Amino acid sequence: SAVISQKPSRDICQRGTSLTIQCQVDSQVTMMFWYRQQPGQSLTLIATANQGSEATYESGFVIDKFPISRPNLTFSTLTVSNMSPEDSSIYLCSVPGLAGGADTQYFGPGTRLTVL
Amino acid sequence: DAKTTQPTSMDCAEGRAANLPCNHSTISGNEYVYWYRQIHSQGPQYIIHGLKNNETNEMASLIITEDRKSSTLILPHATLRDTAVYYCIVRYRNTPLVFGKGTRLSVIA
Repeated sequence: SAVISQKPSRDICQRGTSLTIQCQVDSQVTMMFWYRQQPGQSLTLIATANQGSEATYESGFVIDKFPISRPNLTFSTLTVSNMSPEDSSIYLCSVPGLAGGADTQYFGPGTRLTVL
Repeated sequence: DAKTTQPTSMDCAEGRAANLPCNHSTISGNEYVYWYRQIHSQGPQYIIHGLKNNETNEMASLIITEDRKSSTLILPHATLRDTAVYYCIVRYRNTPLVFGKGTRLSVIA
């Protein structure tokens, strides 16, 4: 299984500011996924980030609000721009992996963001 | 949209088997059934997956009906540490996981 770390683990931010979340993986992976989990809700996929190409965003998420970088095969960042209280969520990165002979995904511990 | 239906919540006595149902009546022939769980304040954790045969590993068993329209995750001897939200997900291989609302399992002493 992959070991995934995220920084920061949590933050409290003022509205209108931006926060960049880092995701580091202990092995090289082609794809990385970013998810959001709003309070009391399930996980929602924000985008898929491939190294060397533009990220692919899901419906309802746009690059201007959630720019993503993928400079190499072990690292990615997600920026939450011009934050509002509605952006208060846990943000998780995830990478593909193998379990029991089939593909699956492993998740980082998440970044808990509170916007005041 | 999620392709599965799960009960919102369930309780289970500690030491007893926890049986978590999932309906996936629109599953296609090439889609797998995956189960994940999320313990409070942690990232989701892979439990088990299957295509059409029943599967068992060190964590749980997965029973898939013959028509593949439903499945049951079995935790044979639930402990307090199994309290979590359990997600049943159907997906094609090499596609990102799409989460539904899941089942909140409470294991009671």
